[in-house]
Amino acid sequence: KNEVEQSPQNLTAQEGEFITINCSYSVGISALHWLQQHPGGGIVSLFMLSSGKKKHGRLIATINIQEKHSSLHITASHPRDSAVYICAVNREGSNYKLTFGKGTLLTVNP
Amino acid sequence: NAGVTQTPKFQVLKTGQSMTLQCAQDMNHNSMYWYRQDPGMGLRLIYYSASEGTTDKGEVPNGYNVSRLNKREFSLRLESAAPSQTSVYFCASRLTGSGNTIYFGEGSWLTVV
Repeated sequence: KNEVEQSPQNLTAQEGEFITINCSYSVGISALHWLQQHPGGGIVSLFMLSSGKKKHGRLIATINIQEKHSSLHITASHPRDSAVYICAVNREGSNYKLTFGKGTLLTVNP
Repeated sequence: NAGVTQTPKFQVLKTGQSMTLQCAQDMNHNSMYWYRQDPGMGLRLIYYSASEGTTDKGEVPNGYNVSRLNKREFSLRLESAAPSQTSVYFCASRLTGSGNTIYFGEGSWLTVV
């Protein structure tokens, strides 16, 4: 079993819909990262969380440390949000290495 | 501000050839990483360097070598390329510490025929 599991693997939405992508992990962590990768493109960090909630524009990330779960929400989705969203965790005691989920492919149709 | 720059962006190699992927960052980061990304596998760590002068193996180091030339540069070498090394390679860097943002290069698409 992977240490970091994302769901769903694929998600198709209509423009304007509210989107949720989930990340569950099975190890103790010191931080969790959400990353975005557009098709054929590089990888960009969206959020780094160690507790609570963060918001940036239409994106909101939450984390529940006790339940070992994080969610990434996109409000009023737009076709430009179409990308792969990747969850990654910093294991407790490791300052250096990240463990990655396999990603969620989001397609937002106009 | 260039961030993380990796070259080349695309490369086709024949089996048995060697090549070096170059990576440089201008953010004064201590930690640098090389990952490979394959369909259905997610990002997997090949090697990392926690600081200048140190390197350590990641999950999939076989067939690769690395050099942390200085604080800015971290190169990945394929000594004898194999078709199984066909992949997209990403260099990344960040300040040491779990609470720091990680920055990625644009990726290098490598095909070994």
